[in-house]
Amino acid sequence: RKEVEQDPGPFNVPEGATVAFNCTYSNSASQSFFWYRQDCRKEPKLLMSVYSSGNEDGRFTAQLNKASQYVSLLIRDSQPSDSATYLCASGGAGSYQLTFGKGTKLSVIP
Amino acid sequence: ETGVTQTPRHLVMGMTNKKSLKCEQHLGHNAMYWYKQSAKKPLELMFVYSLEERVENNSVPSRFSPECPNSSHLFLHLHTLQPEDSALYLCASSQDLGGNSEAFFGQGTRLTVV
Repeated sequence: RKEVEQDPGPFNVPEGATVAFNCTYSNSASQSFFWYRQDCRKEPKLLMSVYSSGNEDGRFTAQLNKASQYVSLLIRDSQPSDSATYLCASGGAGSYQLTFGKGTKLSVIP
Repeated sequence: ETGVTQTPRHLVMGMTNKKSLKCEQHLGHNAMYWYKQSAKKPLELMFVYSLEERVENNSVPSRFSPECPNSSHLFLHLHTLQPEDSALYLCASSQDLGGNSEAFFGQGTRLTVV
């Protein structure tokens, strides 16, 4: 049973578009959520944490919907430099680890 | 400069070789992890260490042997690997266990088993 699910994409969008990704998680006791960005052949890097009240950082907004058990990431005015794979992770709930989704690939076309 | 460094960055080894991957974190974190990332698969947790004690081993074959001599260093010893073990091996650290704090990753070792 997959614990964190993401649409693998790819999402191919024009520069300037707004794009949204969803990530669903199966463990209702999960307490912590994160979005990571991974460039091709590089390590994942933390993009932002997602708290119950949501989180916004510039063009990026993350939201948590605990009732429906999903996390979302919204990217406004997307740039070619945003092209990457975006990984969702959930944690807490008595687990030792973060559980990662497979990631969603985004390509922003100039 | 990354707070988690891994060496080597690339490794090609034969199935009869023995090699070791090294990870060092400069963040003062208490937990360290080894992950495996294969194509088209999510990150797979292999081992978890907290304050030098192994707290989780996710059914990893014995040809992978971790070692944590202190809270800032982590090794993964490899022997008699199989071609299907070729993958990106990522080390990570976090302030504490439990997944409530974010994990920071090293640059990874891209391993090819021939």
